Amino acid sequence: AQRVTQPEKLLSVFKGAPVELKCNYSYSGSPELFWYVQYSRQRLQLLLRHISRESIKGFTADLNKGETSFHLKKPFAQEEDSAMYYCALGLSLNQFYFGTGTSLTVIP
Amino acid sequence: EAGVAQSPRYKIIEKRQSVAFWCNPISGHATLYWYQQILGQGPKLLIQFQNNGVVDDSQLPKDRFSAERLKGVDSTLKIQPAKLEDSAVYLCASSLGLAGSTDTQYFGPGTRLTVL
Repeated sequence: AQRVTQPEKLLSVFKGAPVELKCNYSYSGSPELFWYVQYSRQRLQLLLRHISRESIKGFTADLNKGETSFHLKKPFAQEEDSAMYYCALGLSLNQFYFGTGTSLTVIP
Repeated sequence: EAGVAQSPRYKIIEKRQSVAFWCNPISGHATLYWYQQILGQGPKLLIQFQNNGVVDDSQLPKDRFSAERLKGVDSTLKIQPAKLEDSAVYLCASSLGLAGSTDTQYFGPGTRLTVL
């Protein structure tokens, strides 16, 4: 069965420190992986998707099929990065499975 | 462009009552999703429409939940009768629905339901 695991519910880092939010998935086919973010009092929105291979707001994520992971990384955390982050697995027919989310707090 | 609209934003009801939520997707988006997000959990897909047809409703508790998307645009999600465990945020999302791709989803603000 398809599953997305985000092992950390809460993550705190100091401003300027590197940050990594972990995501592991289980799926036997070819996955499409996404990171969605929800800032305080805002809607859930797409941060990045692996197929785009782009960096958004300094964040990057690499799909590692061998480890079935799609960890989100940023070398220098900023206060405005504090938010709830969800990893999502996309399948054919546009079906999505979300992880339970990681709440990131960047300490000034 | 206008985003996904949902109403109401908040609803408080007593158990065994009925409630309905409304969603208006982004214009031109063929795919519409309803998610349930219980506090502390990620969004869980309840039902997915492609135009006015159902693609996936495997996680919809069909004994009490129903959803429709007449004319392939707006959608309503109904709970009848509500239970305490239905307290959650109900999110609507839409995407272009292009064949052969996994689209970006655009989310509405959600409806926070409290069942007393």
